[in-house]
Amino acid sequence: QVQLVQSGAEVKKPGASVKISCKASGYDFSGFYVHWVRQAPGQGLEWMGIIHPRGSVTTYAERFQGRFTVTSDTSTSTVNMELGSLRFDDTAVYYCARGGDIIILPEAFFDYWGQGTLITVSS
Amino acid sequence: EIVMTQSPATLSVSPGERATLSCRASQTVSSKLAWYQQKPGQAPRLLIYGASTRATGIPARFSGGGSGTEFTLTISSLQSEDFAVYYCQQYNSWPPVTFGGGTKVEI
Repeated sequence: QVQLVQSGAEVKKPGASVKISCKASGYDFSGFYVHWVRQAPGQGLEWMGIIHPRGSVTTYAERFQGRFTVTSDTSTSTVNMELGSLRFDDTAVYYCARGGDIIILPEAFFDYWGQGTLITVSS
Repeated sequence: EIVMTQSPATLSVSPGERATLSCRASQTVSSKLAWYQQKPGQAPRLLIYGASTRATGIPARFSGGGSGTEFTLTISSLQSEDFAVYYCQQYNSWPPVTFGGGTKVEI
């Protein structure tokens, strides 16, 4: 079955960076886009960015430009994200999610999600 | 950026009743609208995409409708497991993909 398994929760200080991994299994990793979405405590969902599985194309939400990077490793079926210059309001659960098929239906809705990774920014 | 507005913020319903949730887009999104269900401590779950197509394994009591700027999610007969927060999301014009603020369906 399709699974996206993310790395564990972390606590970071303001100004630091955090890396989260998302390991995919149960499907052709090279065939689907992967997105990142975050959710602050008690809040709604916020889209952060997308990566082509081969890493050839990335697109980020404007508000994260310059401090958000997503990479893909097809040899391990893993997508990694890094968010830098952390602020208190970056405290959130971060999700990776599978997007559309890169050829047949390259649409940006999300049919499978990781379990989420809680990142707490605290001094 | 397309702004998605959901109403009501909270919907109080009894088990077995019908629930209708609304989602409005600030500009047309054609039929590129998805609905998700989220329970506490869990990741969102895709219910509907293409405004009206149920995702794999989603019960028939969930139905989506609308196009352009006005959309609805209807749960025909609420079951206990349906009490959750529901989000709409547009993917017609992106980046960025945008979500509504959510509707909490409570008993």
